[in-house]
Amino acid sequence: EAGVAQSPRYKIIEKRQSVAFWCNPISGHATLYWYQQILGQGPKLLIQFQNNGVVDDSQLPKDRFSAERLKGVDSTLKIQPAKLEDSAVYLCASSLAIGGSTPYEQYFGPGTRLTVT
Amino acid sequence: QKEVEQDPGPLSVPEGAIVSLNCTYSNSAFQYFMWYRQYSRKGPELLMYTYSSGNKEDGRFTAQVDKSSKYISLFIRDSQPSDSATYLCAMSAWEYGNKLVFGAGTILRVKS
Repeated sequence: EAGVAQSPRYKIIEKRQSVAFWCNPISGHATLYWYQQILGQGPKLLIQFQNNGVVDDSQLPKDRFSAERLKGVDSTLKIQPAKLEDSAVYLCASSLAIGGSTPYEQYFGPGTRLTVT
Repeated sequence: QKEVEQDPGPLSVPEGAIVSLNCTYSNSAFQYFMWYRQYSRKGPELLMYTYSSGNKEDGRFTAQVDKSSKYISLFIRDSQPSDSATYLCAMSAWEYGNKLVFGAGTILRVKS
């Protein structure tokens, strides 16, 4: 079974530029998550999708971050404009379960490492 | 105060040692307790999970949860150099949609 795919793996941009990350979840997984992991910290949930609807985006900085999951499969996360403090690894995870019923069944991708200079 | 506290280490041990990794938490609503291993430049992978209190064993790994003390532990027996990684604890509660709340992670180095 193929895992969660993310691209690009690395990205370096200047502050105020825009950037987009892509995630392809495990086939058939209804729930998709985007996390931000700042160096030395644990992952923090940014947004959770169930199929193509948003379940939780309470920690997404909506003035600069946006995300979509068209057709309930792939997802993109965008930052515009980027700030220095956005430097982090952006992890995508997916889960077969709906509604967070099995919180331990999240499978993570390798992440995209973003550096904002 | 963070919801989940975890000593970032690094923790350096010789090969074959017993390793103890710990997290404390403040929210008594947490019901699921997970341990993830994260190798450098990789995503976290689930090692073990426990529902509510108690112990769970899987090979060289044992997870313990003490809800009365709000304290969880992961023990690794006969540690190997391949166990060198960052270990993240995570917790969730039904009333918060089972959203995972992670600790900062402990860096473990097992020296051969």
